[in-house]
Amino acid sequence: AQKVTQAQTEISVVEKEDVTLDCVYETRDTTYYLFWYKQPPSGELVFLIRRNSFDEQNEISGRYSWNFQKSTSSFNFTITASQVVDSAVYFCALSEPSTDSWGKLQFGAGTQVVVTP
Amino acid sequence: GAGVSQTPSNKVTEKGKYVELRCDPISGHTALYWYRQSLGQGPEFLIYFQGTGAADDSGLPNDRFFAVRPEGSVSTLKIQRTERGDSAVYLCASSLMGQGYNEQFFGPGTRLTVL
Repeated sequence: AQKVTQAQTEISVVEKEDVTLDCVYETRDTTYYLFWYKQPPSGELVFLIRRNSFDEQNEISGRYSWNFQKSTSSFNFTITASQVVDSAVYFCALSEPSTDSWGKLQFGAGTQVVVTP
Repeated sequence: GAGVSQTPSNKVTEKGKYVELRCDPISGHTALYWYRQSLGQGPEFLIYFQGTGAADDSGLPNDRFFAVRPEGSVSTLKIQRTERGDSAVYLCASSLMGQGYNEQFFGPGTRLTVL
């Protein structure tokens, strides 16, 4: 069963618009970790942010911010004032300690973000 | 410092052949992961090493797939009797330790095409 769902396949915006990416996850663990990774056209996955399940405080880091809500099992990610260089596929991922190998990441299908000038 | 490197960057082979894909993790990283990414999909976990041992190989699709990490650094993913369905990008990642909160650093991947 899919543990991480990214319902948006593609989002197209004009530069300087904000972009919000949705992520819904499924887990029975009380402690878990959520991640966002970026995969630009070059192909190499780049770590963006990490959140643990016991800290629901939402934060901002530069143009990135995230909204973590355990009640709805959502971990949404926002890019403020988008730029053309933000064009990439964005993946949400889950790590669960209770599994036999809790180092592994379980990824969603990704959301393609296209930012046009 | 150097990131995760993978060789070759591209590999084209014929159905039934044997291939080896290599991963050089970041120096000092004890955990190493292999993922497979098909077109339009997210990376799919294959196997995870902590040191020299495979901590979890539950993601390997079948016994044609095998991976080693004999000295706790470089890893090789081996695929026997390749099939067209094995065509994908094979990603390697490493992290300082194997706990799930550690950031994983990914390599550029090896694109495998089975004709």
